[in-house]
Amino acid sequence: DTEVTQTPKHLVMGMTNKKSLKCEQHMGHRAMYWYKQKAKKPPELMFVYSYEKLSINESVPSRFSPECPNSSLLNLHLHALQPEDSALYLCASSQDGLAVSYNEQFFGPGTRLTVL
Amino acid sequence: LAKTTQPISMDSYEGQEVNITCSHNNIATNDYITWYQQFPSQGPRFIIQGYKTKVTNEVASLFIPADRKSSTLSLPRVSLSDTAVYYCLVLTGGGNKLTFGTGTQLKVEL
Repeated sequence: DTEVTQTPKHLVMGMTNKKSLKCEQHMGHRAMYWYKQKAKKPPELMFVYSYEKLSINESVPSRFSPECPNSSLLNLHLHALQPEDSALYLCASSQDGLAVSYNEQFFGPGTRLTVL
Repeated sequence: LAKTTQPISMDSYEGQEVNITCSHNNIATNDYITWYQQFPSQGPRFIIQGYKTKVTNEVASLFIPADRKSSTLSLPRVSLSDTAVYYCLVLTGGGNKLTFGTGTQLKVEL
């Protein structure tokens, strides 16, 4: 299995809602990443987990809360988001457990988030 | 903070060679340069990676000059299916910030 899966594919939420994004990989990769991508812009790194521990937080607001329950799963918990947080949220994984990896990153298809 | 920059767009015809450059003058000393392809509503997909000089695989070549402050992705004989956005990815800021380039929209026509 060489795939990174993300659920849901689309999510619409209000500013007072709490929701979670889920990412899963079964390639035995030891680094997992969350990116945010606005339309016609490059992906921006948010968080990196290395060996299931948070190793990089790119000064992301606390309304985004990552969680890595095990080596195959990565969640992003969302609370009190703003309309400007609407974007495509991409999950990726890489074999190397180094936080900023030289290894190829495998990306999921993303979750399209709309905050009303 | 220096940005990692690419041309916004490029147009080509099927069968031509396309060269896309990325300027990364703040690249970390020991970092590799990686290129990704992204189709609409999909995650980026790895194309090629290199550290210096030239790397070639079955789909592309990557040229990196000695100063490593830029790199060029070369796509031989493009087809319509190569229409996509292409990003370089490097470590900048002393080796602790993973940064995508600004992206190049390649459009291939018949």
